[in-house]
Amino acid sequence: DAGVIQSPRHEVTEMGQEVTLRCKPISGHDYLFWYRQTMMRGLELLIYFNNNVPIDDSGMPEDRFSAKMPNASFSTLKIQPSEPRDSAVYFCASSFYDKTYNEQFFGPGTRLTVL
Amino acid sequence: RKEVEQDPGPFNVPEGATVAFNCTYSNSASQSFFWYRQDCRKEPKLLMSVYSSGNEDGRFTAQLNRASQYISLLIRDSKLSDSATYLCVVNKGYNKLIFGAGTRLAVHP
Repeated sequence: DAGVIQSPRHEVTEMGQEVTLRCKPISGHDYLFWYRQTMMRGLELLIYFNNNVPIDDSGMPEDRFSAKMPNASFSTLKIQPSEPRDSAVYFCASSFYDKTYNEQFFGPGTRLTVL
Repeated sequence: RKEVEQDPGPFNVPEGATVAFNCTYSNSASQSFFWYRQDCRKEPKLLMSVYSSGNEDGRFTAQLNRASQYISLLIRDSKLSDSATYLCVVNKGYNKLIFGAGTRLAVHP
């Protein structure tokens, strides 16, 4: 079975450029999460969706970040314009809802470097 | 104060040692608890859930103390392959997980 798929795996861009990260969740999962991981701040939840609807975007750093989920099998995280402090590993994860057991399955991540 | 706090380590232990990690959380309404493992430059993966009654999976034992808002992970007979970062995770509700910063473990021969 394919796990969570993310693309690209690595992205190097210059400050001011638009960056789009992509995610395909595991089929049948109704939750999708975007995280950012840095050495300084650890793993932070940016936004999550349930049935393609954004539920909580309180972790999105600022208006330069936006996320969409047009259908159950695809989501994007966009940064425009990008800044060097956005350099991090961005993970997408998916899960199905269970009241007590809700393992999140993570993709391999996109390593973003903004010069 | 962070919602989930862990000792960052690193813990450097020889093979065969027993090592314990601790974690505290601030939200008493938190619903469920987990330990995730993250290998270097890889994604986090679920290691085990944590129950009030305590639970064991082979060499790994997890404990939860709701009154003290404290979670622990014990690893017995450490293997080289246990070297990783261990993330304490709390479910705030509605599937929203909060991750601790992680405790790094290095097992040496």
